[in-house]
Parts: sequence; structure tokens; C-alpha cells
Amino acid sequence: EVQLAESGGGLVQPEGSLRLSCAASGFTFSDYWMTWVRQAPGKGLEWVANIRRDGTTIYYLDSVKGRFTISRDNAKNSLYLQMNSLRAEDTAVYYCARDANYYDAGNYYDVFDIWGQGTMVTVSS
Amino acid sequence: AIQMTQSPSSLSASVGDRVNITCRASQGIRNDLGWYQQKPGKAPKLLIYAASSLQSGVPSRFSGSGSGSDFTLTIGSLQPEDFATYYCLQDYKYPRTFGQGTKVEL
Repeated sequence: EVQLAESGGGLVQPEGSLRLSCAASGFTFSDYWMTWVRQAPGKGLEWVANIRRDGTTIYYLDSVKGRFTISRDNAKNSLYLQMNSLRAEDTAVYYCARDANYYDAGNYYDVFDIWGQGTMVTVSS
Repeated sequence: AIQMTQSPSSLSASVGDRVNITCRASQGIRNDLGWYQQKPGKAPKLLIYAASSLQSGVPSRFSGSGSGSDFTLTIGSLQPEDFATYYCLQDYKYPRTFGQGTKVEL
């Protein structure tokens, strides 16, 4: 079964750090881009970052650039999000998702087709 | 960043109703748009990609249309399991951006 499972969330003080992990199973992890999406309590979805199959290309949301680092270990089928200098506004459920390229009518489209269950990050003193 | 604006923010409907949710992009995004469904406490689920292509396993009562900057998600005959929040997502440019969501309530 294709699955993603996040871990590493918790309560952290402002300016603190946290490292999230996402364990993949049931598919060839190294064949896919991967992404992080977050959702603040009672709010909508917000894309955070994604990383190319081999880790050589990375994109970030402007508000996390310089504070968050996305990485992956294909040998361990794992995705990571290192979060530093955390702020109250980073409080959210963090989801990892498989970032797949779907081919349709001559074009490729990025889709988030498999999601983990999410891990809660609370930034508070 | 490309802004995605959904309307309405919420709607009340009954089982069997036809429901339309619209999503407008702040600039043209070709048909690089997906629709996702999220139920409370659960991860989102992909419904539609490329504006109108149905994801495998998704019921055919869901359909998508549009290109450029205006898009629509239609639920042909609302079922009890369809009460949820729906989001559009553009994959035309970085940063990827979601609409603010449309809550479909009974």
C-alpha cells in the first residue's frame, strides 16, 4: 500500500527549532518530487516547499525561506523539514505529499496525489 | 505570487443538489489547476487535475472545467459523503497557491 507517515511535530517555543520527518512506503520514493503543505488551525491549505527527485532543485514559500530547509534521503525513503527560528504563525498541521507529474493531452501537470496524515506543530511560549 | 480566489466561501446544499464552486486566478494559468477535497481531521484528497481530468477512483459526479483564469468544480448530484471543504490549487508557477476553500454544508 502506498503510504506516507509524518512524525516529529510537537510544542516548541518561539525562535526554537523542530525537524519533521516523512516516511514513504509502497512506491519508489526516488522517482518522485515531494512536497510539504501546512494548515493553520481552522484555516486553509498553504504550500510550503518541494524538492526534486534527486534533491538538486528546491522551492520554498517566501515566508519560510532562510528558516526552513527541505531535504530527503532516498536510501531511507524519507523526506525532512528542518524548521528554525519558528514563529507563532508557523503553528499548523504539516502534511507531506507525493508531488507527481501526471501526463495529459501532451502536457505534464504537478499533482499532490498521496498525502500523509499530518503532524501538528505548535509554536508557543 | 498568483492569487487564487474561490467562491463562495461556503454553501448550504441538500443531497441530490447540483453544486458549482468557482476558482479565479489573478493571472492566466492555462489549465494548470487541481481540485482537492478535505474532510475534517483528514488529509486532502486529489479529485481533478489539469482543470478537467478526473483522478482515478473519483466518482464521475465530480467534474471540472475552465482554462486561463476561470475554473469550476461541479458536483453533479451531491451525496452525503461529499460534505467537505474543497480547494483549488494552481501548479502553473511557484509558489504553488491554494484557494481559500469552499465549505459545502448540509
